[in-house]
Amino acid sequence: GDSVTQMEGPVTLSEEAFLTINCTYTATGYPSLFWYVQYPGEGLQLLLKATKADDKGSNKGFEATYRKETTSFHLEKGSVQVSDSAVYFCALSKGAAGNKLTFGGGTRVLVKP
Amino acid sequence: EAGVVQSPRYKIIEKKQPVAFWCNPISGHNTLYWYRQNLGQGPELLIRYENEEAVDDSQLPKDRFSAERLKGVDSTLKIQPAELGDSAVYLCASSYNPASSGNTIYFGEGSWLTVV
Repeated sequence: GDSVTQMEGPVTLSEEAFLTINCTYTATGYPSLFWYVQYPGEGLQLLLKATKADDKGSNKGFEATYRKETTSFHLEKGSVQVSDSAVYFCALSKGAAGNKLTFGGGTRVLVKP
Repeated sequence: EAGVVQSPRYKIIEKKQPVAFWCNPISGHNTLYWYRQNLGQGPELLIRYENEEAVDDSQLPKDRFSAERLKGVDSTLKIQPAELGDSAVYLCASSYNPASSGNTIYFGEGSWLTVV
């Protein structure tokens, strides 16, 4: 079945450092790819998405490019802030399954001042 | 515009007791989802509704879990009886027109269940 694998955390880094969270997927067909973020005590929020190969999703300084050849959707941010501390989830969905999201296990990011 | 609303936010119950969670989706969203998120893991789909119809309940443990969405708007998820392993966050989500896989799914803040 479909699956999403993302790097385990926690990832600890200093403010203004570069952040990369790796995400790879296994799926038949042409899934859409998403990054969701969960701040402490809050629900999941969509951070960005890409619906076809080579699309780049971006939001709040975060970017991720849909790479079909490597089945990857790595999340990057050039200069993180303390407020970016959260858990980040990579996910996919396919049209044949409606909008069922399949999530990775999540990566906790802690940004220190 | 109001987001997905869930209640209660937190619930502590003893094992073998029943519990129910309520969800009101974003206005106009015809698709509603219930996900379960165990500690340190990603959410997993329990059930998906399109209007009043449960179109995917393959992951719902039907011996103790039930859900309904009688008027195609708000929904209730029930567990009876609860077990220790049911401790998790129960997330409700909604979306409009699920035909396209790229449509955004919006999540509520979740109902945090602890079974003792």
